[in-house]
Amino acid sequence: KAGVTQTPRYLIKTRGQQVTLSCSPISGHRSVSWYQQTPGQGLQFLFEYFSETQRNKGNFPGRFSGRQFSNSRSEMNVSTLELGDSALYLCASSVGVGDEKLFFGSGTQLSVL
Amino acid sequence: AQTVTQSQPEMSVQEAETVTLSCTYDTSESDYYLFWYKQPPSRQMILVIRQEAYKQQNATENRFSVNFQKAAKSFSLKISDSQLGDAAMYFCAYIAAYSGGGADGLTFGKGTHLIIQP
Repeated sequence: KAGVTQTPRYLIKTRGQQVTLSCSPISGHRSVSWYQQTPGQGLQFLFEYFSETQRNKGNFPGRFSGRQFSNSRSEMNVSTLELGDSALYLCASSVGVGDEKLFFGSGTQLSVL
Repeated sequence: AQTVTQSQPEMSVQEAETVTLSCTYDTSESDYYLFWYKQPPSRQMILVIRQEAYKQQNATENRFSVNFQKAAKSFSLKISDSQLGDAAMYFCAYIAAYSGGGADGLTFGKGTHLIIQP
């Protein structure tokens, strides 16, 4: 069974631009959550999607958004990029909401110049 | 809000020896899960071991075991017979059990960098 796939692996953008990251969950998994990892703040929860609906959202500004498609694939979008948005963005999938067994992808490393 | 604290930024151990990584947490919930994740240089977070708070028995997975002290809110990871492949960042994490209102995602500690000396 294929694992969680995140694309692209690396991304370089400039301030003010927007970016879209993609996550394909494990087959059969319907919940996708996103995390931001930075050296200063560590790992922080962004949001969780289930059945195309956002179930929970962490403490991030509205520039961070996401969506989930009917095939459970998810995208997250960051608009008006700031230098502080440089981070590793990790996606995790699970069977459903409330399922605490998360399987992570290898992340997308975003650099904002 | 819940917090997870890992007080050891870095630990070093000789190959084949035993090492214990510390983790404490704070929560007002009574039903929750605790985890140890490993993040090697590949960056993928790999689940090492999981503990349900309502279970008194400590979880064990091969060379990995935990010491879960619920009253003390302590959750340490013991790695026996350390191997070179165990070298990685180790993160302790917490999540409240699903209550119908949705979980708030995993809360992670800052991590412990484990070095294995050959």
